[in-house]
Amino acid sequence: GENVEQHPSTLSVQEGDSAVIKCTYSDSASNYFPWYKQELGKRPQLIIDIRSNVGEKKDQRIAVTLNKTAKHFSLHITETQPEDSAVYFCAASWHSGYALNFGKGTSLLVTP
Amino acid sequence: AAGVIQSPRHLIKEKRETATLKCYPIPRHDTVYWYQQGPGQDPQFLISFYEKMQSDKGSIPDRFSAQQFSDYHSELNMSSLELGDSALYFCASSLVVGSGANVLTFGAGSRLTVL
Repeated sequence: GENVEQHPSTLSVQEGDSAVIKCTYSDSASNYFPWYKQELGKRPQLIIDIRSNVGEKKDQRIAVTLNKTAKHFSLHITETQPEDSAVYFCAASWHSGYALNFGKGTSLLVTP
Repeated sequence: AAGVIQSPRHLIKEKRETATLKCYPIPRHDTVYWYQQGPGQDPQFLISFYEKMQSDKGSIPDRFSAQQFSDYHSELNMSSLELGDSALYFCASSLVVGSGANVLTFGAGSRLTVL
């Protein structure tokens, strides 16, 4: 099955700096790569996603890049704010209707 | 907008007891997924149903079973509970759109504590 690896496991940045989280996947058939943000004790919430026919997608301060050849994708958060502090999970899926396989998560701390 | 509804939100059981969790997907969503998330862990996929049929199976223990009913709600049944079953259980739903994006929307979760 799909194996998703995520780095780093923890990340601490100062407010206003950028944060980058990287993931690799094993199944070349995977074609959908979402990123979820999860605050302590709460549900994962989709923040951005990308499909395999696109190399980059941006939504305000958040962007995701995908390199299908290398089988890796990254989340970029610019101008970080304290409210960005949370655990971020990358995931991969190979077909609509099939489960997402999650990375181990990155705990992001943004200090004022 | 209607979201994924899970019940109960909190559940406390003793070892070897049985627990049932319920999930009501977003209206018109045809696929339901169950995930288990231990403290500090990533969500682990258990099982999913598409149009009331099991569609995918992950790391669901034999002690657990699930089904999706005619009204599309789903139940996760857990028997012979063990301490290690203590976790947050999330249900998610999605609408299958060909080979398109698999956008899962998660419920608020059910926290199971086994004593």
